[in-house]
Amino acid sequence: DTAVSQTPKYLVTQMGNDKSIKCEQNLGHDTMYWYKQDSKKFLKIMFSYNNKELIINETVPNRFSPKSPDKAHLNLHINSLELGDSAVYFCASSPSVSSYEQYFGPGTRLTVT
Amino acid sequence: AQSVTQPDIHITVSEGASLELRCNYSYGATPYLFWYVQSPGQGLQLLLKYFSGDTLVQGIKGFEAEFKRSQSSFNLRKPSVHWSDAAEYFCAVVLYNQGGKLIFGQGTELSVKP
Repeated sequence: DTAVSQTPKYLVTQMGNDKSIKCEQNLGHDTMYWYKQDSKKFLKIMFSYNNKELIINETVPNRFSPKSPDKAHLNLHINSLELGDSAVYFCASSPSVSSYEQYFGPGTRLTVT
Repeated sequence: AQSVTQPDIHITVSEGASLELRCNYSYGATPYLFWYVQSPGQGLQLLLKYFSGDTLVQGIKGFEAEFKRSQSSFNLRKPSVHWSDAAEYFCAVVLYNQGGKLIFGQGTELSVKP
């Protein structure tokens, strides 16, 4: 009964390709996030949506585009992949934008060759 | 600027020994603080949180943390470490006036010797 799930778990692709990572939460939460964890394990927020509305948009290349079809889903689409995009991407959710406690998915390890 | 610092990149303790992982924060207002644990190949699990009130907070798996405003610290402790505690530990502060985004420290990798 997974609370926050991500697909795929692993993604290996070549430079220049376009790929998507999907995230779903079954917790009934209003707010969802994308984080990037680099090779040194440093975690940094990328985006956040609250009830399908974008509320956080960090300094991220515009090749990255989040999409929230409904409040239970937040997908991440990446165009023209680059070597530097290789990382682990984590989705998270919280009950609301003011509840602060975030629940993380298992992560998607993206490798760009 | 808001930031979180974990001074220790890697710590090794013997099983059964006590543990303290350090965390220092920089935040202009009252901080809301968290400790997360990441086991190898896994996502992050919330260990404990501090919002207000008692400065000693209890978490899951026998962990506790103490908030010390005067030292801008929120150190994580466990009296007796188990081999299964080997993992990466992250301290974080939430920017509650910026959509609830978490600012993480660099992480501390804990190894446990038998």
